[in-house]
Amino acid sequence: ETGVTQTPRHLVMGMTNKKSLKCEQHLGHNAMYWYKQSAKKPLELMFVYSLEERVENNSVPSRFSPECPNSSHLFLHLHTLQPEDSALYLCASSPVDRPYEQYFGPGTRLTVT
Amino acid sequence: DQQVKQNSPSLSVQEGRISILNCDYTNSMFDYFLWYKKYPAEGPTFLISISSIKDKNEDGRFTVFLNKSAKHLSLHIVPSQPGDSAVYFCAACTNAGKSTFGDGTTLTVKP
Repeated sequence: ETGVTQTPRHLVMGMTNKKSLKCEQHLGHNAMYWYKQSAKKPLELMFVYSLEERVENNSVPSRFSPECPNSSHLFLHLHTLQPEDSALYLCASSPVDRPYEQYFGPGTRLTVT
Repeated sequence: DQQVKQNSPSLSVQEGRISILNCDYTNSMFDYFLWYKKYPAEGPTFLISISSIKDKNEDGRFTVFLNKSAKHLSLHIVPSQPGDSAVYFCAACTNAGKSTFGDGTTLTVKP
């Protein structure tokens, strides 16, 4: 148990659906991250939130919309996704003064049909 | 252009011996370098980090070495144990938390 939980663990959605991924951390951290891991590719950073403000958007398409309502919760809102968006989506958190020390959740396996 | 590379997709080591995992990077602007371990169906687990101003950091059986002139870092695990069998990711991070990961190396430690 790493202290970072993600729900759902698995999600299948059509290209016209709207869904949200949820991440919650119980570590007292104040920075949170979304990553994408596609098959045969390295982990890719999508978004960084520090003290509830987005500080990094790594050229992610607008069909992915993050939300950080407080330092413990992070959402990724999904709409009109493409099949190539199918991947493992990982959330992580860290102390804001130690951004290199990230603790990951188990991920959400997303399949877009 | 992949900024962080792990050129060995797999490594097999006998229990009790040393495991050496390697990583190369191209960007001199990274502030920290990290190693993560990942088991199937779990997220990566932070193992050890090293600041770009240091050349060695040790934590129990794990030691990370940084060679800035060669843009190379390595993770030494000694002695290796069967429970160390996992995928190991190297990552480089800026002070803003922007991390770039390698492809991973699958370590198998044989009893």
